Amino acid sequence: AQTVTQSQPEMSVQEAETVTLSCTYDTSESDYYLFWYKQPPSRQMILVIRQEAYKQQNATENRFSVNFQKAAKSFSLKISDSQLGDAAMYFCAYRSAHRDDKIIFGKGTRLHILP
Amino acid sequence: EAQVTQNPRYLITVTGKKLTVTCSQNMNHEYMSWYRQDPGLGLRQIYYSMNVEVTDKGDVPEGYKVSRKEKRNFPLILESPSPNQTSLYFCASSFFGLGTTNTGELFFGEGSRLTVL
Repeated sequence: AQTVTQSQPEMSVQEAETVTLSCTYDTSESDYYLFWYKQPPSRQMILVIRQEAYKQQNATENRFSVNFQKAAKSFSLKISDSQLGDAAMYFCAYRSAHRDDKIIFGKGTRLHILP
Repeated sequence: EAQVTQNPRYLITVTGKKLTVTCSQNMNHEYMSWYRQDPGLGLRQIYYSMNVEVTDKGDVPEGYKVSRKEKRNFPLILESPSPNQTSLYFCASSFFGLGTTNTGELFFGEGSRLTVL
């Protein structure tokens, strides 16, 4: 069965600095999606970035980028120029491309931004 | 506006009093799912549905029921709520299966905070 592990329950970063959140997953499949979702204090789940496993190029969305290492089954999120609005819980998620009825979430990393 | 709508957003109830949390999406998604979020445990899947009249258990289905009579609606039913069902609940939807419209992304409702006394 697939698993997703976020090893950092909490992290802090100074405003304007860069921070990397780690995520590892376990799967025997070759085609899948990976996601990072952000949950701010409003509790809304917001998609930050997505990566398709067949794409070697790392996804980027403005200040957010990922380091996708398929062989190592690692999918870290880098936030550049951290802003106060980035303070949130971040969830890593895995979804099989062929058996996509199951979506597996990590337990989350709470990110604090220090002014 | 494309959205997933859950109601109620907040609810306090007592043990044993049946309740239903509604979920509706307007994106013509085949796939819908319910999650509960508890501190330190992340999001755990309760039930999911791949299309009308097709539902299946997730990881924590005990004490819950669902139905999918229409494509847009996927209500979560707690027949006899207990305090251990106090949680934050999310409904989510997406396209399903291989296809150009399927990006794999889940679209979430705003969450329903349930307290069972």
